[in-house]
Amino acid sequence: SAVISQKPSRDICQRGTSLTIQCQVDSQVTMMFWYRQQPGQSLTLIATANQGSEATYESGFVIDKFPISRPNLTFSTLTVSNMSPEDSSIYLCSVGHREEKLFFGSGTQLSVL
Amino acid sequence: GQQVMQIPQYQHVQEGEDFTTYCNSSTTLSNIQWYKQRPGGHPVFLIQLVKSGEVKKQKRLTFQFGEAKKNSSLHITATQTTDVGTYFCAGNNAGNNRKLIWGLGTSLAVNP
Repeated sequence: SAVISQKPSRDICQRGTSLTIQCQVDSQVTMMFWYRQQPGQSLTLIATANQGSEATYESGFVIDKFPISRPNLTFSTLTVSNMSPEDSSIYLCSVGHREEKLFFGSGTQLSVL
Repeated sequence: GQQVMQIPQYQHVQEGEDFTTYCNSSTTLSNIQWYKQRPGGHPVFLIQLVKSGEVKKQKRLTFQFGEAKKNSSLHITATQTTDVGTYFCAGNNAGNNRKLIWGLGTSLAVNP
């Protein structure tokens, strides 16, 4: 198991601004993932955060909009850039061996006005 | 495209009744995972099944993986109010990419 600290837990932002979400894990993990969950919906993978190299983005998500950093094996950030109301969602970081037995952070509830 | 269908979408039961959610994949899976998300919370990993026909139990919860590794079920016996939440299945493709495909979830409400 892993203990994941994610912050902020929630934020209300103005359109056009950017928000950076941080994810800290209590142990070194191979794989870290960033998910988005619309209210009442399932989870959608945004990208896999790779340590020391560029993140791997899923279809429909681009680096300019969702830049990701992973400077070491215990920390990652996701930035939601140039926000619009459509970006209002819950953003979750998760860790696991490959995409199995995932542990999730507590999530960041983002509202864009 | 690859899909994992989950039914029902919602279920409302009286406390003490049983509950089952079903998961069906359009492709063969290498494993099936189940997660529970309480209202306002984050998904919590419950279990992973990897073998064809596998059945695992966790107290009142019984998980099953189909023989063809395309479907799965979660059965809760004698539901309690603490079982409230959304149950998601997710499976890794059996192919090379091993992409994780999530079901849409079943939301369970339990009347005390």
